[in-house]
Amino acid sequence: DAKTTQPPSMDCAEGRAANLPCNHSTISGNEYVYWYRQIHSQGPQYIIHGLKNNETNEMASLIITEDRKSSTLILPHATLRDTAVYYCIVRVHFGNEKLTFGTGTRLTIIP
Amino acid sequence: DADVTQTPRNRITKTGKRIMLECSQTKGHDRMYWYRQDPGLGLRLIYYSFDVKDINKGEISDGYSVSRQAQAKFSLSLESAIPNQTALYFCATSDSNRNEQFFGPGTRLTVL
Repeated sequence: DAKTTQPPSMDCAEGRAANLPCNHSTISGNEYVYWYRQIHSQGPQYIIHGLKNNETNEMASLIITEDRKSSTLILPHATLRDTAVYYCIVRVHFGNEKLTFGTGTRLTIIP
Repeated sequence: DADVTQTPRNRITKTGKRIMLECSQTKGHDRMYWYRQDPGLGLRLIYYSFDVKDINKGEISDGYSVSRQAQAKFSLSLESAIPNQTALYFCATSDSNRNEQFFGPGTRLTVL
């Protein structure tokens, strides 16, 4: 699986959009970008994933650059409950379902 | 009721003791995983199972063993616990047709 690089921490004002970057310059053609988050010490929660097109669901949007070497997770209207550690993970879609977690980005939503 | 449950939620044990952590799921998923998390670090995969007859080592399997008793149950054992196995342990499940993993609430294990 390709290695990812994320900033260790970020702050965002409540109600504003939170933009979390992830670099994955060694991503290969069959690897997807996945995002999970972990609130306090709870089990991680799946957020979204994508291959090359931008994706949106009820939780977030995922923007992947055209060269696929980086991506941004967008929480459109951050709330205090979005305070968590966010993990960007790159892996193949089928055949290897292991998740390799890095240290992620600790996002703090400020009232 | 939670889809993925873990027991116990907290456990304190002594060095050298055998301990088993249990995971059950009602999601009907065929794939199950055990991870550990140390303070300030991401999760690391210990073992995973793609079906009842399939067991695979993860990146940090030494000192651990697992048993897949049924599709819905996946147990993690520490045959002789040591202090550096003090950590937060998570069980997860996934479906072979989808790609997101669903995590249990975690077991906080302390080895004295």
